[in-house]
Amino acid sequence: DTGVSQDPRHKITKRGQNVTFRCDPISEHNRLYWYRQTLGQGPEFLTYFQNEAQLEKSRLLSDRFSAERPKGSFSTLEIQRTEQGDSAMYLCASSRSGGTLRWIQETQYFGPGTRLLVL
Amino acid sequence: SQQGEEDPQALSIQEGENATMNCSYKTSINNLQWYRQNSGRGLVHLILIRSNEREKHSGRLRVTLDTSKKSSSLLITASRAADTASYFCASQTETSGTYKYIFGTGTRLKVLA
Repeated sequence: DTGVSQDPRHKITKRGQNVTFRCDPISEHNRLYWYRQTLGQGPEFLTYFQNEAQLEKSRLLSDRFSAERPKGSFSTLEIQRTEQGDSAMYLCASSRSGGTLRWIQETQYFGPGTRLLVL
Repeated sequence: SQQGEEDPQALSIQEGENATMNCSYKTSINNLQWYRQNSGRGLVHLILIRSNEREKHSGRLRVTLDTSKKSSSLLITASRAADTASYFCASQTETSGTYKYIFGTGTRLKVLA
């Protein structure tokens, strides 16, 4: 089990630049989540995929943010025209759903995160 | 804010003591999960409790859930210095077949050796 990996681990960029982060989930996990975490706060949900379909997007995800999961495996999160307020840790998590049963014990496995600093 | 609330925000105890942290959420849930996060790292899943369960144990961890009060608590018994971390609850909600996790603001636990 190689776990969830994220790349890069750290990114420093200048305001106005575009950045792209990659997440590789645990193989066979069909759900993939992106979160943003600022210092001293809990993770805030951004978006989630089931296989290649993006099923939900948070209102936090402005038009400058876009996420893809083209083949239902890895995912990318792109931020265009970065702003200083985008500085945060971006976390990816994956899970395996067992169907539509309400009581399914779905556990998310988190990656180490990508820390973004916008200067 | 879309976040749940946890209290206390910070907790400092001596090794061997018990630590209790509480979490409140806002909407009906499928389950509630607790995670640990060491400084600057990803989150590690600790325990999950379903909405039809009231109490669950895993090693030194005990979780309770009160859906009428929309609250949960995590008890860590016989704490160790290695338990020093931030602890987050996450409530899983479902809307029309899509799932979302709402995390709390976290409790920063420090266990003194």
